[in-house]
Amino acid sequence: GENVEQHPSTLSVQEGDSAVIKCTYSDSASNYFPWYKQELGKRPQLIIDIRSNVGEKKDQRIAVTLNKTAKHFSLHITETQPEDSAVYFCAASFGYDKVIFGPGTSLSVIP
Amino acid sequence: DTEVTQTPKHLVMGMTNKKSLKCEQHMGHRAMYWYKQKAKKPPELMFVYSYEKLSINESVPSRFSPECPNSSLLNLHLHALQPEDSALYLCASSQEADTQYFGPGTRLTVL
Repeated sequence: GENVEQHPSTLSVQEGDSAVIKCTYSDSASNYFPWYKQELGKRPQLIIDIRSNVGEKKDQRIAVTLNKTAKHFSLHITETQPEDSAVYFCAASFGYDKVIFGPGTSLSVIP
Repeated sequence: DTEVTQTPKHLVMGMTNKKSLKCEQHMGHRAMYWYKQKAKKPPELMFVYSYEKLSINESVPSRFSPECPNSSLLNLHLHALQPEDSALYLCASSQEADTQYFGPGTRLTVL
């Protein structure tokens, strides 16, 4: 069936370093790729998203790249801060009924 | 109003109880979703309502019964739940088939 793989499952970086999380999807019809950040005990919050007609998108310290041919997309966080520590979920979707989340990456930023 | 609200925040119920979870959004979104999330796992899609009609039921047991009284409200009726149903239940909404905005969730414990 359709699925989204996400790596790594855990990531630990020093404050100020960059963090990269990668996702691969199987459904070639997917056309929308959001990234959510979920802090402990809180709701998932959208941090950045990308649509299939765009290869890269940046918002301050966060960027996402998409390679539709290879069916993978990545989240890049630069100049990491302790408040970036959270679980990050990627997702791939097509229409209302096809939203598939990756298994998540637990990011720890060490001061 | 750019929020999705959910009540109650916490719910403890016995296996013979009947209870309901409520979700509300005033963003004019046409799709609303119920997700179940276990600790350290991604949200699992349960139901999707599109234009107040149930469009997706991801093989959810009948002890979970969704209801969409109008375009702003979404309920999840619970009856005869099992301890393994204990989880965080998240509601989300979206305008088109892309960005989903999540509510804070209801932490459900089934004894």
